[in-house]
Amino acid sequence: QQQVKQSPQSLIVQKGGISIINCAYENTAFDYFPWYQQFPGKGPALLIAIRPDVSEKKEGRFTISFNKSAKQFSLHIMDSQPGDSATYFCAARPNDYKLSFGAGTTVTVRA
Amino acid sequence: DAGVIQSPRHEVTEMGQEVTLRCKPISGHDYLFWYRQTMMRGLELLIYFNNNVPIDDSGMPEDRFSAKMPNASFSTLKIQPSEPRDSAVYFCASSSDSISGEQYFGPGTRLTVT
Repeated sequence: QQQVKQSPQSLIVQKGGISIINCAYENTAFDYFPWYQQFPGKGPALLIAIRPDVSEKKEGRFTISFNKSAKQFSLHIMDSQPGDSATYFCAARPNDYKLSFGAGTTVTVRA
Repeated sequence: DAGVIQSPRHEVTEMGQEVTLRCKPISGHDYLFWYRQTMMRGLELLIYFNNNVPIDDSGMPEDRFSAKMPNASFSTLKIQPSEPRDSAVYFCASSSDSISGEQYFGPGTRLTVT
């Protein structure tokens, strides 16, 4: 049973467009919400992370929006580039180190 | 820093054989994690260590799986005997004991059991 539900499973966006990936959770003990990016044949790499005391965090073209009351968080990729084509995983954990991952979203950016 | 190192990168073995996957974490990191990734089940945490001690092995699928961390720079994940359903990519990750707890993943070992 996945503790973090992620959607969509895949998406295609034109170069310069916005990619949006959504995640939802039930466990109110979660207090750390990272997003990982994975390229084929590579391990996941941390992209950006947020804690529940803020509603938004931006790093370059990547933004996390967090809605604590709805228990939802999302990743926005602005001005999507072909190099952003990868699989993105949301994750969450309580105050230990056990990350629960979403199922992943494969993003394809068309030039 | 070389990052997390895993070996072998690819392993093909026959059902019933013993398989040993190896991991060298980033120097100075106190936490080490073993994950399994499959299309059906996604990324699953199998076990994690803190200061070489196993903390939580609740994700280990069954007794055929075992993991050790004899010292701070080396860990193994062993499957004995292996079965076709064990075919997956196995990742090792490490983390320092910091507030962020960011986990750094290795490149993974792709295991195929025929």
